[in-house]
Parts: sequence; C-alpha cells; structure tokens
Amino acid sequence: EPEVTQTPSHQVTQMGQEVILRCVPISNHLYFYWYRQILGQKVEFLVSFYNNEISEKSEIFDDQFSVERPDGSNFTLKIRSTKLEDSAMYFCASRSIGTGNTIYFGEGSWLTVV
Amino acid sequence: DQQVKQNSPSLSVQEGRISILNCDYTNSMFDYFLWYKKYPAEGPTFLISISSIKDKNEDGRFTVFLNKSAKHLSLHIVPSQPGDSAVYFCAASALFRGNTGKLIFGQGTTLQVKP
Repeated sequence: EPEVTQTPSHQVTQMGQEVILRCVPISNHLYFYWYRQILGQKVEFLVSFYNNEISEKSEIFDDQFSVERPDGSNFTLKIRSTKLEDSAMYFCASRSIGTGNTIYFGEGSWLTVV
Repeated sequence: DQQVKQNSPSLSVQEGRISILNCDYTNSMFDYFLWYKKYPAEGPTFLISISSIKDKNEDGRFTVFLNKSAKHLSLHIVPSQPGDSAVYFCAASALFRGNTGKLIFGQGTTLQVKP
C-alpha cells in the first residue's frame, strides 16, 4: 500500500537553528499538508499546499515557517529559527482528489529544540 | 476554539465486547468526518470515514454513525481486540464546500482493550 514517508524520524536542534523536515507524499496525490502534535496535545493543522502554492495556513504557520515542493516528489517544511515551543511531532499528509478524500499521514518527524 | 471534542479521554473495554467512542462537533459547515488510530510516536492511521449525506458507514469491525442534528458521531468497534488498544482521534473537514480539506482533530480517546 502506498504511504507517506518522512525524514528524519527524530532531530535534535539548538534554539535559533534552521530545520528542514522532508516528506515524500503518495505519488498520485495532489494536496499536501503539514500538521504537528505537541506532546500531550491534539494534532493541529499547520498548512495545506496545492498546485505549487499554499492554499491555507493556520495562525501557527508564521513567518518562521515555509513549505516547498522542490521537485515532483518531495515536500518540505522549513523552520528558519527554531524556538523551544517548536518541539513537537510534525506530520506530513497527502490527499488525492476525487476517488476517496482521505488524508493519509506519514509516521512523523519528532523535533526536539534544546 | 474546540470545534471537535472528544469528551472521554480514556475508555477501557473487555476483549470481545463493543467499544464505543464518541465525538461532538460545533461547526455546521463540516461535511466529512474521519476516525484515525494512533500509536505513540507514529502517525495517525486512517480507519473509517463518513460524509454528511450518510448516517452510517461500516467497514468490517468498524462502524461510524453520524447524527447531524445532534452534531455527534461515534465509532463502534465490534468485537474489540487487544490490538485495538491505541489513541483514537475524530477529525472533521468542510471538504465538499471547496475547502482545502484540512482536518480539525479532537483531543483523542485512549482505548484499552483488556484480554
């Protein structure tokens, strides 16, 4: 079964450093998303991406965050200057259009900012 | 802004019995609802979904019921198995209204199925 893959699975970074989280969505999907889950809290929407541009973003997704689809397969989330409160599990997700509207999630990238 | 609520943080059920997980929502624009299962340090795994034009959807041991007037949905697992023990998230979307399909999640319910 096709799946969303994410790298790295875990990253520890110093406060103020830039982090790039990578995702390979399911190949025939057209909508891409990033979500995050802070430990003990609910899964929160960050951003959606369609047709090579951001289609929607949450209040969390401020100027420190950016997304990119550099080629036909990868989808990245960049945090420019990490803060302690950015420590969370970040999930990439993707969705096709039409036949089935389910959003499928990757295994997550656990980011620890120290 | 808790548009999707799962009021029971945990549920314990005996193996073979029915598990019923509940979810309430406030936004009448939601038209597509999903249940995900999640293990610690893993991503949410899709279980079952229902659109607002239906009131029931069944897939094997899993059935989701939607009561639009009450803005309530529930997930029934019959029979429950120890491998079902996980955190279950309810999620909602205004998918068919030209939305991006982003999901709003509930807080999750931890299900423990005892052998």
